[in-house]
Amino acid sequence: QVTLKESGPGILQPSHTLSLTCSFSGFSLSTYGMGVSWIRQPSGKGLEWLASIWWNGNTYNNPSLKSRLTVSKDTSNNQAFLKVTSVDTADTATYYCAHTRYRYNYFDYWGQGVMVTVSS
Amino acid sequence: DVVLTQSPATLSVTPGERISLSCRASESVDTYLHWYQQKPNESPRLLIKYASQSISGIPSRFSGSGSGTDFTLSINGVELEDLSIYYCQQGNSLPTFGSGTKLEIK
Repeated sequence: QVTLKESGPGILQPSHTLSLTCSFSGFSLSTYGMGVSWIRQPSGKGLEWLASIWWNGNTYNNPSLKSRLTVSKDTSNNQAFLKVTSVDTADTATYYCAHTRYRYNYFDYWGQGVMVTVSS
Repeated sequence: DVVLTQSPATLSVTPGERISLSCRASESVDTYLHWYQQKPNESPRLLIKYASQSISGIPSRFSGSGSGTDFTLSINGVELEDLSIYYCQQGNSLPTFGSGTKLEIK
């Protein structure tokens, strides 16, 4: 059974760096074809894919966020991480991590989401 | 980026109706088009993968069709529990989502 759970700071100030952790079970990020993706959703708005990290260490980021995103993983501890630098109020959203399969690029298991508010 | 346009933005339905939701891509995504359901205050749930492939545990009244740039999600006999927002997503290139179709009671 695949489960994922996000954790993060809840609230942070503009210009700071947002650090999120996705803790998962039921699969390994060292197994061929496995991936974890990050998706966010501002309150009342749609879904935006942010980034994906794959079993082989390759990463893909949403070009609209340019170089603000960094994804990484800790395979031994079944965790994936997302960092977003220089946050502002537009980054206020619920952030989800989701299990992803290589090349197919659909999100078949989702975490419950973590709400992040950027405010001074 | 591949832009996905969903229509209508809102659909008012009567329980028991058969309905169709549309998703149109700005360029061909082959069949790498997936559908999700999101109920209020819940995470999205995968409904259909590869345009028409069913997902274990999803009721059989949900079905998908299409390829290339035009896709349809159908619900054969809408139930009250289906009142949600439905998103399409393409996986042929860097993932993008449509803006969603909200199902509400007429």
